[in-house]
Amino acid sequence: TQLLEQSPQFLSIQEGENLTVYCNSSSVFSSLQWYRQEPGEGPVLLVTVVTGGEVKKLKRLTFQFGDARKDSSLHITAAQTGDTGLYLCAGGARGGSNYKLTFGKGTLLTVNP
Amino acid sequence: DTAVSQTPKYLVTQMGNDKSIKCEQNLGHDTMYWYKQDSKKFLKIMFSYNNKELIINETVPNRFSPKSPDKAHLNLHINSLELGDSAVYFCASSSSTQPLGQYFGPGTRLTVT
Repeated sequence: TQLLEQSPQFLSIQEGENLTVYCNSSSVFSSLQWYRQEPGEGPVLLVTVVTGGEVKKLKRLTFQFGDARKDSSLHITAAQTGDTGLYLCAGGARGGSNYKLTFGKGTLLTVNP
Repeated sequence: DTAVSQTPKYLVTQMGNDKSIKCEQNLGHDTMYWYKQDSKKFLKIMFSYNNKELIINETVPNRFSPKSPDKAHLNLHINSLELGDSAVYFCASSSSTQPLGQYFGPGTRLTVT
């Protein structure tokens, strides 16, 4: 069974601060996705990374896929209150004839004004 | 227009009852999923259908029966509901069996009393 460990589990910061969320596994994934989920809503896809060492930027968010495709990080610069939410990483891998996403348990981010 | 929609949003029922949750996507995707999110926000896949055919069936009690009448719809029927079935159920869709981007519905909060 493939597992994704996210850290930290909870993070509370002040507006304007920077933060990094980590997603680690002992397994290799062919892709890694990051989602953000707000209360009462479904997860929303932020980014997909597929190449080891890949870095993608989405405004103030920077996503990196580890060289060995076992880990990823999400860095937020100058956090805003609108960044508050549950951040989920998900690894994609083929299991037999199926392609399946395995989700981490999430990082609950609170950005205080 | 809502991309992935689910009904109902909330479902409160008693143990032993049978209930259904409906899901529809208008994204033209050929793969649809059901996920269960527990009280600790852990999101776990239950089923996946590609072009109306079941391709992923995780270790889910056979009281849960998905049904896909066409590739835009994936419904979930649950028999003999138990207290432990209480959770938020999310439907999702993607464009192929390689889920590089999954789009989630708003979720159905099921409460079994």
